[in-house]
Amino acid sequence: EPEVTQTPSHQVTQMGQEVILRCVPISNHLYFYWYRQILGQKVEFLVSFYNNEISEKSEIFDDQFSVERPDGSNFTLKIRSTKLEDSAMYFCASSGERADTQYFGPGTRLTVL
Amino acid sequence: DAKTTQPPSMDCAEGRAANLPCNHSTISGNEYVYWYRQIHSQGPQYIIHGLKNNETNEMASLIITEDRKSSTLILPHATLRDTAVYYCIAPHTGANSKLTFGKGITLSVRP
Repeated sequence: EPEVTQTPSHQVTQMGQEVILRCVPISNHLYFYWYRQILGQKVEFLVSFYNNEISEKSEIFDDQFSVERPDGSNFTLKIRSTKLEDSAMYFCASSGERADTQYFGPGTRLTVL
Repeated sequence: DAKTTQPPSMDCAEGRAANLPCNHSTISGNEYVYWYRQIHSQGPQYIIHGLKNNETNEMASLIITEDRKSSTLILPHATLRDTAVYYCIAPHTGANSKLTFGKGITLSVRP
């Protein structure tokens, strides 16, 4: 069964450093998303992406964040200058042509020291 | 998204049916009800969704009341591996709609 994959599974970085989180969505999907979950808190929407453009973003997704689909398979989330409060699980999701059901990856645990 | 309300927790015995309720009294006519679950800190896992009719798949059944103001997710024979947080979500209809996760209901399956 096709699935969303994410790398790395765990990323440790120093405050102020740039990180890139990578996702490979399900191959024929057209809609892509990033969510995050701070430890013990709810899963929060960050951004949705379609046709090489951001469709919607939350208040969390400020100028420090960017997304890109650099090729036909990867979907990335970049945090330019990480802060301690960016420590969280980051989940990528994708959905197909009808943009209905979103399928999530296993997540990347980001730890900012 | 339509607001959904779930009790914070419930438990059931292994092998028994787990019935997880959800209220969504403000749901509009074309908004689906989705159920996801999250086991520990893993990515949310899609379970099932429905609009008006009851739905069944290999994981669960979804019963939606006729007025669509509430629904019940049924795990027919719960196992220990079904212990998780279950989320009932009613996203806005439309392409690329975000999912708004609440606190969900924590299901504990006891041996």
